[in-house]
Amino acid sequence: DSGVTQTPKHLITATGQRVTLRCSPRSGDLSVYWYQQSLDQGLQFLIQYYNGEERAKGNILERFSAQQFPDLHSELNLSSLELGDSALYFCASSVSPDSQPQHFGDGTRLSIL
Amino acid sequence: AQKVTQAQTEISVVEKEDVTLDCVYETRDTTYYLFWYKQPPSGELVFLIRRNSFDEQNEISGRYSWNFQKSTSSFNFTITASQVVDSAVYFCALSGLNNAGNMLTFGGGTRLMVKP
Repeated sequence: DSGVTQTPKHLITATGQRVTLRCSPRSGDLSVYWYQQSLDQGLQFLIQYYNGEERAKGNILERFSAQQFPDLHSELNLSSLELGDSALYFCASSVSPDSQPQHFGDGTRLSIL
Repeated sequence: AQKVTQAQTEISVVEKEDVTLDCVYETRDTTYYLFWYKQPPSGELVFLIRRNSFDEQNEISGRYSWNFQKSTSSFNFTITASQVVDSAVYFCALSGLNNAGNMLTFGGGTRLMVKP
C-alpha cells in the first residue's frame, strides 16, 4: 500500500461528458502529480502541484484541468470526453517538489463508451 | 528533452531463468534520477529502485540487481532465478532535478512473462 488513495477505481461514461478524479496524497506529502497511461501514448506526465500551486505542466489537454486543495487532496477534471481519453489515470505524491521517489496510487481506469 | 527507451517490448522466459531488461536514456541534465517501476497485472505501479546520477555503484536486492553505466547512458535491470510472480510490465523512468519540476519520463515498458 503506497498510501496514495485514488477514487473512483473505475469510471465508465460517454463521449462529451465530464468527470472528476480524486487523489489523496500520502500523509506528509505536499506535492501531487497526475499521469495518464494509454495504449497510444504510454505513461505520460500531465501536471504537478505543490502545496496548492501548479508546479509543472506536461502534455495535458486544454479540456483537462486540475487543482490541489488546502487539505492537499487533488482533483483532475476531464471534460468534453473523447474515446481517446480512455486510459488509466495515476496520481502520485512526494514530500516536496524535488524529492523522490514518487509513490503512486492504484489508478482510476476511465472507459469512454 | 528527456527520453527513455526500452527496446524490448516483450520477453518470455521459463521459471528460474535469469533475465535482463534494458533501459537507455537521454538527458541534458547533469544531475538526474533513474528509476524502475513494476506494474503487475492488477495495474498498480510499484516502486523498485532509484539511482542518483552521481552514484554508479551497482545495486543488488535479493534476486534483483541493477547496472547503471553513465558512459553508455544505460540502467539495466536483472532478475535472477525468475519466478512466475515476476510476470509484469516493467518501466524504466528518468527524472531531472530542476526548478521546472521533477516529473518522471517513462520508457515504453517491457512486458515480462515468466512461464512455469
